[in-house]
Amino acid sequence: DARVTQTPRHKVTEMGQEVTMRCQPILGHNTVFWYRQTMMQGLELLAYFRNRAPLDDSGMPKDRFSAEMPDATLATLKIQPSEPRDSAVYFCASGHDRANEQFFGPGTRLTVL
Amino acid sequence: SQKIEQNSEALNIQEGKTATLTCNYTNYSPAYLQWYRQDPGRGPVFLLLIRENEKEKRKERLKVTFDTTLKQSLFHITASQPADSATYLCALVSSSSNTGKLIFGQGTTLQVKP
Repeated sequence: DARVTQTPRHKVTEMGQEVTMRCQPILGHNTVFWYRQTMMQGLELLAYFRNRAPLDDSGMPKDRFSAEMPDATLATLKIQPSEPRDSAVYFCASGHDRANEQFFGPGTRLTVL
Repeated sequence: SQKIEQNSEALNIQEGKTATLTCNYTNYSPAYLQWYRQDPGRGPVFLLLIRENEKEKRKERLKVTFDTTLKQSLFHITASQPADSATYLCALVSSSSNTGKLIFGQGTTLQVKP
C-alpha cells in the first residue's frame, strides 16, 4: 500500500532553532508539494517540485524557509530560524503530472515556543 | 481579489439524508476542480476531479457538479452515514497557471448524526 511518509510527526522547538522536516514521496511520482495548514489560513502551498526541480515556491517565506529534493526519494523543508508564527501542520504530497490528484502524507505538527 | 469560499459553518445532517456542500470561486478561471476529504489529524484524501467542460461527475454515493456561469461547484453525498463525518475541501487549478498549482478552500466540516 504505497503512501507518502513524513518525519517527524510532531516537533516542539524553541524560537530561533532550526527545524528540518522530511518527506518520502510515493515511488514513481514525479511531483512533490509542501503545504502548511493553520486554522486561520487553511491549506497553503509553500513549494512545488516537478522531476526534483523547484517549479513554484512563491508561497514560501524565502528569508527563513528552504525546500530541496536531494534525490527522488527525499524532499526536505527547512526553517531557520524558526518563529512562533511558524507553528502549524506541514503536509507533503506527491503525484504524477499525468494525473491531477495529490496524495498527502500524515503531516508534521510543528510547535515553536 | 481571487477567492475560493466554502461554508465555514459546520453542516449537520441526519443519517440517510443527502449532504450538499458548496464551493464558490471569484476571479478564477478553473481548468479543473477537485474535492478532498480530511479527517482530524490526517492529511487530505482525494475524492473527485471535475474539469471545466464537465457538468457532473459521480463516484458511488458522491456527486460533484460544476457551473462555470455561477462560478460554483456542489458536492453531494447521498444516503449519508456517520462515517462520512469529516472536513471536505475544494481546490482548483487555474487555467492561467503554467505550473498546475492547486489552490484550496478553507473546507466545510460535515457532521452526520445517527
